[in-house]
Amino acid sequence: EAQVTQNPRYLITVTGKKLTVTCSQNMNHEYMSWYRQDPGLGLRQIYYSMNVEVTDKGDVPEGYKVSRKEKRNFPLILESPSPNQTSLYFCASSFLLGSNEQFFGPGTRLTVL
Amino acid sequence: GENVEQHPSTLSVQEGDSAVIKCTYSDSASNYFPWYKQELGKGPQLIIDIRSNVGEKKDQRIAVTLNKTAKHFSLHITETQPEDSAVYFCAASQDYNQGGKLIFGQGTELSVKP
Repeated sequence: EAQVTQNPRYLITVTGKKLTVTCSQNMNHEYMSWYRQDPGLGLRQIYYSMNVEVTDKGDVPEGYKVSRKEKRNFPLILESPSPNQTSLYFCASSFLLGSNEQFFGPGTRLTVL
Repeated sequence: GENVEQHPSTLSVQEGDSAVIKCTYSDSASNYFPWYKQELGKGPQLIIDIRSNVGEKKDQRIAVTLNKTAKHFSLHITETQPEDSAVYFCAASQDYNQGGKLIFGQGTELSVKP
């Protein structure tokens, strides 16, 4: 089944404790992206990648890191989480050419205490 | 940069009625406008999209219209059903066919009452 998977789905952590949210897609998509969803603000892009070893900042990159060592994986890293990073996070992927449809993962609900 | 405004934030309709959600965008260079539906506990899923060279597109009970001059586009759902209840997001992009960045609206929570 073609899909985007994220892990974990739920995470409660404390300020300053490094964490990684994994994202994997099995559709051979070049483009991958991370969004955060907050009430009244919609989906805001954190980082994106147009191919292996190519990453760039989105609209709200502060406090986050990403890497793209393999085409299928695009982990989101919070080196020192803070309470304002409490949010619902989505990973998405798409082809670069032919279609702009982005396929979203199921989401990761993160709470930083 | 691009900004997308979406209204209303919540919408409640009776089953069988029509629902309309409206979005405006700021950058006239935007050329691709998708709509995503997010069901409870799931990620958004594309339901319909339109490119800037088309004024209207329809797929069964859903349709999208685009007014490039006014820089606004709308989602129309006819004969609403309880399973249409979800959060709907509009988005705009400048890079159709190039995996471009999407700028999303704030979302509309649609509730269809049986």
